[in-house]
Amino acid sequence: VIWMTQSPSLLSASTGDRVTISCRMSQGISSYLAWYQQKPGKAPELLIYAASTLQSGVPSRFSGSGSGTDFTLTISCLQSEDFATYYCQQYYSFPPSFGGGTKVEIK
Amino acid sequence: QLQLQESGPGLVKPSETLSLTCTVSGGSISSSSYYWGWIRQPPGKGLEWIGSIYYSGSTYYNPSLKSRVTISVDTSKNQFSLKLSSVTAADTAVYYCARHCGGYSQFDPWGQGTLVTVSS
Repeated sequence: VIWMTQSPSLLSASTGDRVTISCRMSQGISSYLAWYQQKPGKAPELLIYAASTLQSGVPSRFSGSGSGTDFTLTISCLQSEDFATYYCQQYYSFPPSFGGGTKVEIK
Repeated sequence: QLQLQESGPGLVKPSETLSLTCTVSGGSISSSSYYWGWIRQPPGKGLEWIGSIYYSGSTYYNPSLKSRVTISVDTSKNQFSLKLSSVTAADTAVYYCARHCGGYSQFDPWGQGTLVTVSS
């Protein structure tokens, strides 16, 4: 089982800020990592897969980086619609698993 | 565009079996490229993968739930289903269905989710 540590669990930011969210693995997973955005009462939506590939239709202010054990989701210029909870997911090893989530709230 | 929709009872009694169906529209569940999975999220908590199925009927389950989970597929109806037996209050969650590529991969798209409450 791969343990995932997502940080911070809560991030207070303002519109226009650059924010970064970290996801750390207990063992290397190459680039088999995805990021999701979830708004209240809605299903998660895929933002990034293969650690850094932007899903079609996702704004370019979102970017992902990292490989091995350390990964980062960056939002370059936070917009009002970006206030949400973000999850990372590893799919390198069985069972696929998710990080604990990072809630991005208005400062 | 592919859409998934969960359906089933919103209330299940403890010790009984939770049963949900996911209906796929805008595409075929028999596509050779994709697997179909179930993920759940207890209120206010994170996401947990339950299991997945291929159109041929091949399944794999999260070891933490394997003894209680059965996932099946009905290609004629473009649906797949989840059964979770011997439920307790800890199984109260929003249950999502989703598509993924290959054995393990990212999940996309997702259904809107359905809340199942376990209570007498």
